[in-house]
Amino acid sequence: KQEVTQIPAALSVPEGKNLVLNCSFTDSAIYNLQWFRQDPGKGLTSLLLIQSSQREQTSGRLNASLDKSSGRSTLYIAASQPGDSATYLCAVREDNAGNMLTFGGGTRLMVKP
Amino acid sequence: DAGVTQSPTHLIKTRGQQVTLRCSPKSGHDTVSWYQQALGQGPQFIFQYYEEEERQRGNFPDRFSGHQFPNYSSELNVNALLLGDSALYLCASSLEGPTYEQYFGPGTRLTVT
Repeated sequence: KQEVTQIPAALSVPEGKNLVLNCSFTDSAIYNLQWFRQDPGKGLTSLLLIQSSQREQTSGRLNASLDKSSGRSTLYIAASQPGDSATYLCAVREDNAGNMLTFGGGTRLMVKP
Repeated sequence: DAGVTQSPTHLIKTRGQQVTLRCSPKSGHDTVSWYQQALGQGPQFIFQYYEEEERQRGNFPDRFSGHQFPNYSSELNVNALLLGDSALYLCASSLEGPTYEQYFGPGTRLTVT
């Protein structure tokens, strides 16, 4: 059974700092991995989608990498801003599990002014 | 172009009652998935609908059922509500196929008292 873990569960940083969020998964047979942002009590906003054949994806200040063989992904946020404060979730879609996503528990990020 | 929409936004029900939640997918999307997110946790897959049929199901009891209509919109029904069913219910839509990105709605917050 696929298990997705995100470390740390919570993170507090000063504004302007570069930071890395980690995601690990136990079964490397995945189609892709998706990073989401969730504001309190709200739905999920897709940030980046990395296909299994890709190594990384970039969008603005965000960069996500994928090491499928080691079961790891990282989300790099450059020059963090208070508006980046939210919970960040990673999710994997497995080769043999149809279209369902398996999520990690999330990292709750607080960026202080 | 409207994204994924869900109704209602909030709902309060009593134990033992039944509830119906609704979802309209993003324009052009034909696949709808439902997820349950308990407070402080990552979303858990309930089931997915494609071509008006349940195609895949997560580890949820038969009290959870759904439907997809010819216009691809979907309903989630929960019977005999338990206190533990209190959660944010998220709907996601995508094109059919594992490589496509999933887009999430704002969710319905269900409180069971």
